[in-house]
Amino acid sequence: TQLLEQSPQFLSIQEGENLTVYCNSSSVFSSLQWYRQEPGEGPVLLVTVVTGGEVKKLKRLTFQFGDARKDSSLHITAAQPGDTGLYLCAGADTGRRALTFGSGTRLQVQP
Amino acid sequence: DTGVSQDPRHKITKRGQNVTFRCDPISEHNRLYWYRQTLGQGPEFLTYFQNEAQLEKSRLLSDRFSAERPKGSFSTLEIQRTEQGDSAMYLCASSFLGQANTEAFFGQGTRLTVV
Repeated sequence: TQLLEQSPQFLSIQEGENLTVYCNSSSVFSSLQWYRQEPGEGPVLLVTVVTGGEVKKLKRLTFQFGDARKDSSLHITAAQPGDTGLYLCAGADTGRRALTFGSGTRLQVQP
Repeated sequence: DTGVSQDPRHKITKRGQNVTFRCDPISEHNRLYWYRQTLGQGPEFLTYFQNEAQLEKSRLLSDRFSAERPKGSFSTLEIQRTEQGDSAMYLCASSFLGQANTEAFFGQGTRLTVV
């Protein structure tokens, strides 16, 4: 069974601070997605990383896929209250079409 | 393109009743997934269709659960004899065959409360 562990589980920071969220597994994934979810809504896809060592930037968000394709990180620069939400990583392997999700990191950015 | 649509958004039912949820995927997507999400957890995979064929089912999908996608377009998820433990957000997602990265796009979910 593939498992994805996210850390930290909860994070409360002040507006303007930087933060990093981690997603780790003992399994290799062919791709990894990051989603953001607000209360009562479905997850919204932020980015997909495919190549080991890949770095993608989305405005103030930087996503990295580990060289061995077992882990990933999300770094947010100068966090804003609008970044508040549940951040989920999800991995796919070549044998299955369904994604395996981590338990999420709940981020609260205080104004 | 209106995205993935789920109906209803909320459902409150009494224990023992049957409920049915509907999902309309993005029109050109031929893969459709059902997930369940409980409070404080990430989504857990339930089942997956490619066109009308149900290709994978999770152990979470007990015999009280059944999903269909009769024409390869919309899908329904039925729960029979609901139990309080079935209370959760039921999420539907779709993706496109031929897309190697399995990017899935989610609907807004159906929140089920069993009382």
